[in-house]
Amino acid sequence: DAKTTQPTSMDCAEGRAANLPCNHSTISGNEYVYWYRQIHSQGPQYIIHGLKNNETNEMASLIITEDRKSSTLILPHATLRDTAVYYCIDRGFQKLVFGTGTRLLVSP
Amino acid sequence: DTAVSQTPKYLVTQMGNDKSIKCEQNLGHDTMYWYKQDSKKFLKIMFSYNNKELIINETVPNRFSPKSPDKAHLNLHINSLELGDSAVYFCASSLGAGTGLQETQYFGPGTRLLVL
Repeated sequence: DAKTTQPTSMDCAEGRAANLPCNHSTISGNEYVYWYRQIHSQGPQYIIHGLKNNETNEMASLIITEDRKSSTLILPHATLRDTAVYYCIDRGFQKLVFGTGTRLLVSP
Repeated sequence: DTAVSQTPKYLVTQMGNDKSIKCEQNLGHDTMYWYKQDSKKFLKIMFSYNNKELIINETVPNRFSPKSPDKAHLNLHINSLELGDSAVYFCASSLGAGTGLQETQYFGPGTRLLVL
């Protein structure tokens, strides 16, 4: 079973930053935090991952707390195409364990 | 230039039939996976192969048999299909079976299976 908890749904206005929180309080020291998203009817898409340090790529930023018990995915300028279910995953070794994710709705 | 491809995209069949779903990746990855997403949208891993060897076999009925003829292909054969097998099946691949960047998985578009 998934060990992460996320809000069921969130709304965001187009052009604003979307901040998606995730709790992973039982994460062990060598487990990465992964974020994927699933746009309607498509396969999950990798966004970003991190271990301890904050990470940024062309899609998003990942902020991990110092105790590593939680993290926040930031989409700096959300667009309508970012509407999707976002999954935070802390068990990446050999398999991904998906929870229920956060359904992000970006509105005009 | 699709990275992970699956065929067919849609599959409608009768209970009791046997069917196969094919997956191919052109990323040069060593590890491939099958996931099942049910009607409630829960996504669960079924199998994982690394270099053609089975490394993960979750609690999946024996009617499901994966086959990996080479590193670039992982097919899923399902015998005696049941109503409960109706779902979307996703194939994925990753560079390796480790952690971090190696574990980043790339998913195919899915195969929508409907058993009548």
